[in-house]
Amino acid sequence: GEDVEQSLFLSVREGDSSVINCTYTDSSSTYLYWYKQEPGAGLQLLTYIFSNMDMKQDQRLTVLLNKKDKHLSLRIADTQTGDSAIYFCAESMDSSYKLIFGSGTRLLVRP
Amino acid sequence: AAGVIQSPRHLIKEKRETATLKCYPIPRHDTVYWYQQGPGQDPQFLISFYEKMQSDKGSIPDRFSAQQFSDYHSELNMSSLELGDSALYFCASSSATGDANYGYTFGSGTRLTVV
Repeated sequence: GEDVEQSLFLSVREGDSSVINCTYTDSSSTYLYWYKQEPGAGLQLLTYIFSNMDMKQDQRLTVLLNKKDKHLSLRIADTQTGDSAIYFCAESMDSSYKLIFGSGTRLLVRP
Repeated sequence: AAGVIQSPRHLIKEKRETATLKCYPIPRHDTVYWYQQGPGQDPQFLISFYEKMQSDKGSIPDRFSAQQFSDYHSELNMSSLELGDSALYFCASSSATGDANYGYTFGSGTRLTVV
């Protein structure tokens, strides 16, 4: 089945690292994504990773994928107040480009 | 760079009325996706179109219909509106030549409020 889970809330201090976790159940997922949504705004694609990769780094963002445990994480280094938002992980499969989203993690960055 | 354009940004309708949401994809994108995001919820896939044909269908109510036109823009028609239809409706677009797997671009959404 298709089910993506995330913890609901994360609070960090400005300058610290944030780690947002996601688990998925569909082992046929081929592509995994992280989207950011600020209040009242649209969904901004942050990064993606293919299922044959275990890590991807893009500036302050590091994505780790543990395919055996079906666990995906997003690490944000040197978290800033502008990073406060809801972060959604999402999966898709080769056969369909539709995205299955997790429930979202609300990140609050304290000054 | 041009993005996905959705209109209107906000829409208020009464129960049992009809609403039409429009989506203009990024130029040269031939695939359009519609998602619904209820308050405090994650986005749910509704329907997608490729080259004016429906390509995939998700949890779209029978009261809703959608189509993609020859200029690739898409419209989501919602009839007999219910209070539970109040949500953010997102459109996204991609090109079939291979970039959809790299994550597609969403519009800013239409916020529909049914009163």
